[in-house]
Amino acid sequence: GQQVMQIPQYQHVQEGEDFTTYCNSSTTLSNIQWYKQRPGGHPVFLIQLVKSGEVKKQKRLTFQFGEAKKNSSLHITATQTTDVGTYFCAGRSNYKLSFGAGTTVTVRA
Amino acid sequence: DAGVTQSPTHLIKTRGQQVTLRCSPKSGHDTVSWYQQALGQGPQFIFQYYEEEERQRGNFPDRFSGHQFPNYSSELNVNALLLGDSALYLCASSSRESSHGYTFGSGTRLTVV
Repeated sequence: GQQVMQIPQYQHVQEGEDFTTYCNSSTTLSNIQWYKQRPGGHPVFLIQLVKSGEVKKQKRLTFQFGEAKKNSSLHITATQTTDVGTYFCAGRSNYKLSFGAGTTVTVRA
Repeated sequence: DAGVTQSPTHLIKTRGQQVTLRCSPKSGHDTVSWYQQALGQGPQFIFQYYEEEERQRGNFPDRFSGHQFPNYSSELNVNALLLGDSALYLCASSSRESSHGYTFGSGTRLTVV
């Protein structure tokens, strides 16, 4: 079955630094979505990518969908304490949205 | 505009018992998906309901069943509870025309003792 893998599992970042989290699927995806879950909270939708090679930006966040539609990345610049949380990618195949295990981000002030 | 509402927020059950969790989708959404999230892990897809039918199912045993009502609200039923069923159960609603992904509820924290 479809599997979505994310690396790294944990990301410890100094405030102001950049980092990237990566997502890979075992199958080709119709789209990929990214969610953020704060500690004790529920996943909140960030963005959806549909086209091969698509790049979208949200302020300091840049999302990319791979050419083969099997991988994606999230790059955050100038990390802030508000970026703390777990970032999940989720790959869509048919009606099923499969989540990766997430990258948990902590920030050192 | 109300988001996704789940009830109850917390629940403690004994092994072997049965439980029903409830979800009201966001206004305008017609599709409901249920996920199980164990501590420190990503949400695992249980099933999705659309037009009162189970449209797709994840890798969960038949002890997990569901229902969708004409007003799009949904229930998740789990029979013969096991200790391993302890988790956060998330309901997510969506619309087929939406490019805004899923809207999640705050979840039901189920503890099986």
